[in-house]
Amino acid sequence: DGGITQSPKYLFRKEGQNVTLSCEQNLNHDAMYWYRQDPGQGLRLIYYSQIVNDFQKGDIAEGYSVSREKKESFPLTVTSAQKNPTAFYLCASSTAVTGSYEQYFGPGTRLTVT
Amino acid sequence: AQKITQTQPGMFVQEKEAVTLDCTYDTSDQSYGLFWYKQPSSGEMIFLIYQGSYDEQNATEGRYSLNFQKARKSANLVISASQLGDSAMYFCAMREASGAQGGKLIFGQGTELSVKP
Repeated sequence: DGGITQSPKYLFRKEGQNVTLSCEQNLNHDAMYWYRQDPGQGLRLIYYSQIVNDFQKGDIAEGYSVSREKKESFPLTVTSAQKNPTAFYLCASSTAVTGSYEQYFGPGTRLTVT
Repeated sequence: AQKITQTQPGMFVQEKEAVTLDCTYDTSDQSYGLFWYKQPSSGEMIFLIYQGSYDEQNATEGRYSLNFQKARKSANLVISASQLGDSAMYFCAMREASGAQGGKLIFGQGTELSVKP
């Protein structure tokens, strides 16, 4: 089955540690995205990538970093510089083939930093 | 700047009745796309329906339809014959013009729908 996987589902870290969230897709989509969701809020874009080896900052990129070395993978690193890292993180991908660019999402990772 | 507004934080509907979730948007682009997503308590975002700014007919997908009123900049979601499984958060989103911006989406704050038996 094609889809997007994110691991782990729950992640706990101590303040001051960097942590990397995994996102893998086998949909053959060119574009991938990372969003952050806080309780009771909509999604905010952190980073996105339209092709391999290229990515752009979204609206809230400070304290985060990404890489896109393979089409299938778009890992997100939450660095110690991110002031409020506790949140729900969603990865998505899309393709231009459909013309509508609808995004398909993974199941998400809930990160708790104490 | 592009913006999506969902003014209903929470809605209740009786099972088997229809419900409308409101969404208004603001953009200066002529070409854009509007989406609705469902987020159950598990957290995954599920794509429901899409409307392109140049589409003349309202989009429909099964029990979901999008009431697109371009002049009023509204894109309301209508769910017919509500089911208990429809209880979830619903998000309206807008895609900026394609090209350099790709498929970047802007989301509203969401509406929590509760279906009563």
